Amino acid sequence: GAGVSQSPRYKVAKRGQDVALRCDPISGHVSLFWYQQALGQGPEFLTYFQNEAQLDKSGLPSDRFFAERPEGSVSTLKIQRTQQEDSAVYLCASSSDRPQYQPQHFGDGTRLSIL
Amino acid sequence: SQQGEEDPQALSIQEGENATMNCSYKTSINNLQWYRQNSGRGLVHLILIRSNEREKHSGRLRVTLDTSKKSSSLLITASRAADTASYFCATAVSGAGSYQLIFGKGTKLSVIP
Repeated sequence: GAGVSQSPRYKVAKRGQDVALRCDPISGHVSLFWYQQALGQGPEFLTYFQNEAQLDKSGLPSDRFFAERPEGSVSTLKIQRTQQEDSAVYLCASSSDRPQYQPQHFGDGTRLSIL
Repeated sequence: SQQGEEDPQALSIQEGENATMNCSYKTSINNLQWYRQNSGRGLVHLILIRSNEREKHSGRLRVTLDTSKKSSSLLITASRAADTASYFCATAVSGAGSYQLIFGKGTKLSVIP
């Protein structure tokens, strides 16, 4: 497709389970971002990839959060031993080179609910 | 942490009226961007204004930027019911190694038909 694709759209997990969220960026976009959006808030930055290199992971809230983009296209955000405070919408975005000067294109997100 | 603060938090207007939303931020920026988010969907980019620009237009949208006051405004003219959404400003912070956008909490706009 032409846009950023995220799957699943909804994920329900029990506290303590591991989850994996997938992002398919726009073809050819070298930059990929993950954001976390709590209810009623704006997105908060988690991590950034340029191709396969993770250049910034300063927003990851704990070592339970891990992201990868091994071939520089599809990315996976993994959350281990989930906790209730991890419940949020996880948004993926991609952009062409030089992300600090280009708009970002967002997927519709994965809504994660931890019971 | 969130840098941009939108004002007002919520805005309700009649179709055909103009809607103005404001955004303030704290640090030096490369650019400031406005995004729209419909309920349950991702963000859609509306307009990007660079730090050396003062005003930009796109269709019914007009954005201003005042870097001395660290503020921006988004004006939507002749609003339509389809404009109902949340609107976020986001700043691209200047500086080496800085890649992220920092979003505000958003303004929830309701346009009543």
